[in-house]
Amino acid sequence: TQLLEQSPQFLSIQEGENLTVYCNSSSVFSSLQWYRQEPGEGPVLLVTVVTGGEVKKLKRLTFQFGDARKDSSLHITAAQPGDTGLYLCAGAYDYKLSFGAGTTVTVRA
Amino acid sequence: KAGVTQTPRYLIKTRGQQVTLSCSPISGHRSVSWYQQTPGQGLQFLFEYFSETQRNKGNFPGRFSGRQFSNSRSEMNVSTLELGDSALYLCASSLNRGQVEISYEQYFGPGTRLTVT
Repeated sequence: TQLLEQSPQFLSIQEGENLTVYCNSSSVFSSLQWYRQEPGEGPVLLVTVVTGGEVKKLKRLTFQFGDARKDSSLHITAAQPGDTGLYLCAGAYDYKLSFGAGTTVTVRA
Repeated sequence: KAGVTQTPRYLIKTRGQQVTLSCSPISGHRSVSWYQQTPGQGLQFLFEYFSETQRNKGNFPGRFSGRQFSNSRSEMNVSTLELGDSALYLCASSLNRGQVEISYEQYFGPGTRLTVT
């Protein structure tokens, strides 16, 4: 059983469209992280959010941490084929990370 | 600064055999964690080592074990391999100073793809 539920599981969009991935839990985390993983590689850290209500922007990516530190969202504006990958959220607690199942994003040219 | 390295990258073993995987963390990182990734279960935490001590353990059977050396390099061992152990095994290091760190950012290696036949 995973502590973090991600939705949707799969997302296929056209280049230039926007997308949002959600990460929800009933547990409170000290921080929440987003990773992107490409086939044959390990996950790469995109961002860490720590404070409830925090919003971070990384170029076309916007990350938000819920006020109660139980949920988060990742929004990509004007998606590009290079954004294709598996997006994973992970909640930190007690020296370990609990990962969501991931959202597979495909951006078609 | 070099990233996390894992060896070997690919491995094929037979049921009942044992296997040892190796991980070299980023220089200066003292915490090393191991994860198993499968299509059905996603990323599952195996265990975490800090200063040669296992600090945390996931819900895996005792066939899965690990250790960390004084230079922070880590090995993971799986004994009596089963078909269900086929997975991508990922190692991640963290600049954890031994105190409670609220961020606990992980830097992953490329993984070892283990196939059990």
